[in-house]
Amino acid sequence: ELKVEQNPLFLSMQEGKNYTIYCNYSTTSDRLYWYRQDPGKSLESLFVLLSNGAVKQEGRLMASLDTKARLSTLHITAAVHDLSATYFCAVEGNAGNMLTFGGGTRLMVKP
Amino acid sequence: EPEVTQTPSHQVTQMGQEVILRCVPISNHLYFYWYRQILGQKVEFLVSFYNNEISEKSEIFDDQFSVERPDGSNFTLKIRSTKLEDSAMYFCASSERRYGYTFGSGTRLTVV
Repeated sequence: ELKVEQNPLFLSMQEGKNYTIYCNYSTTSDRLYWYRQDPGKSLESLFVLLSNGAVKQEGRLMASLDTKARLSTLHITAAVHDLSATYFCAVEGNAGNMLTFGGGTRLMVKP
Repeated sequence: EPEVTQTPSHQVTQMGQEVILRCVPISNHLYFYWYRQILGQKVEFLVSFYNNEISEKSEIFDDQFSVERPDGSNFTLKIRSTKLEDSAMYFCASSERRYGYTFGSGTRLTVV
C-alpha cells in the first residue's frame, strides 16, 4: 500500500524567509503532484513532476523529485503572506489512475 | 481555461437519505474521479472511472456508493443511505490521460 508522508504538518514563518516542505512516499512512483488549497476551496495544481531529477519553479515556489530516494521537496523562497495556504503532495501509483495524498502542510506566513 | 464544475456547492441531508453529487468534467477528458476530504484531514481517493466503468476503487467506496455517467457529460456520485461520517467535501476530478488531474470546486456534504 502506498503511503505518503509530509512534514512539517504546520509551518509558521516570517515574510522573507526560506523554507522547505518534504514529501516522502513508500513505493516506486514516477509521478508526483503538488497542490495548494485555500480554506474551504478546491485543489489548485502547482506542479507535476514526471521523472527522476525533475525540477520545476513558479515564482517563489520550486519543486523537485528524487525517485530513488522517494522524496519530493517544495522550497519556498522569500515567503510572502499570499503564500499562506495548505500544501499537499500527491503520488500516483504505478498502476496509474489514482492519487494518494500526503497529510498536508499548513503554511502561515506572518507579515 | 476549462474547468470541472460541481453542483451543488453545499448539500445538507438527513442521515439515511440518498444524495447525488453532480460533476461536469472537462469535455475532452476521458478519466473521471471522486475524492473526499473530511474537514481538516487529507484528501482520500474514492473511485476512478474510464470507458464507462470503474477502473479503481478504494476501501471507502463500499456498496453505499455508486458512480454513473448518465448522459455523456455528467458524472455523478450517489450515496444511498448517508451516515454522519459521510460528511465531507467531495471533489470530482478529470484528466485527459492517466495523469494531469483537474479538480472541481467541491461539494460540501453535511449529514445531520
